Amino acid sequence: QSVLTQPPSVSGAPGQRVTISCTGSSSNIGAGYDVHWYQHLPGTAPKLLIYDNINRPSGVPDRFSGSKSGTSASLAITGLQAEDEADYYCQSYDSSLSGWVFGGGTKLTVL
Amino acid sequence: EIQLVDSGGGLVQPGGSLRLSCAASGFTFSAYSMKWVRQAPGKGLEWVSYITSGGRTIYYADSVKGRFTISRDNAKNSLYLQMNSLRDEDTAIYYCARVRATTTPNYYMDVWGKGTTVTVSS
Repeated sequence: QSVLTQPPSVSGAPGQRVTISCTGSSSNIGAGYDVHWYQHLPGTAPKLLIYDNINRPSGVPDRFSGSKSGTSASLAITGLQAEDEADYYCQSYDSSLSGWVFGGGTKLTVL
Repeated sequence: EIQLVDSGGGLVQPGGSLRLSCAASGFTFSAYSMKWVRQAPGKGLEWVSYITSGGRTIYYADSVKGRFTISRDNAKNSLYLQMNSLRDEDTAIYYCARVRATTTPNYYMDVWGKGTTVTVSS
């Protein structure tokens, strides 16, 4: 079981908006540590989508946005496209474990 | 082009050893901390090990502590992971990744290799 909890799957039709939640605790997200998000297609290198809760690296479309509040964070994807179909992971630091932790991953299906 | 190329994976028996390599190009390798991250079949991503740019500070996940050793050769632009006493549960795709951070310890990975597959089985 992952330290950060994500829904196993989400889905949406092309053009719609979906959100993926990442729930932690007082030793990670709730302690003020930043949350980062990655997109991963099996067989390929994971790709950084959001860093430091809300920032997009250059080249990532503004359809992707991140937010954080309390012990949770969220990734929002607007204007869904077929190419967005992938696995999405949140990541943070955990002071109890003294290490970096990932969520279990969320599979996004574009209907 | 900024690139990380992982290699060295393969099939190994339980209790065996394997050495993974990661070749960096397109950026000043010696200026960046690096990590190894793995993904077991059907599972999510798991942080394995971390090393600072000069190699002086190293961390390991509890699941590999005492069995795995991370190292780097900045002259060769290369990162390594020596894996000993391998177990079935070490079966995974192993990725090397470049580390960035605005503040410590809020590290994230902005460049990743495509991964190398390690299978531990008799």
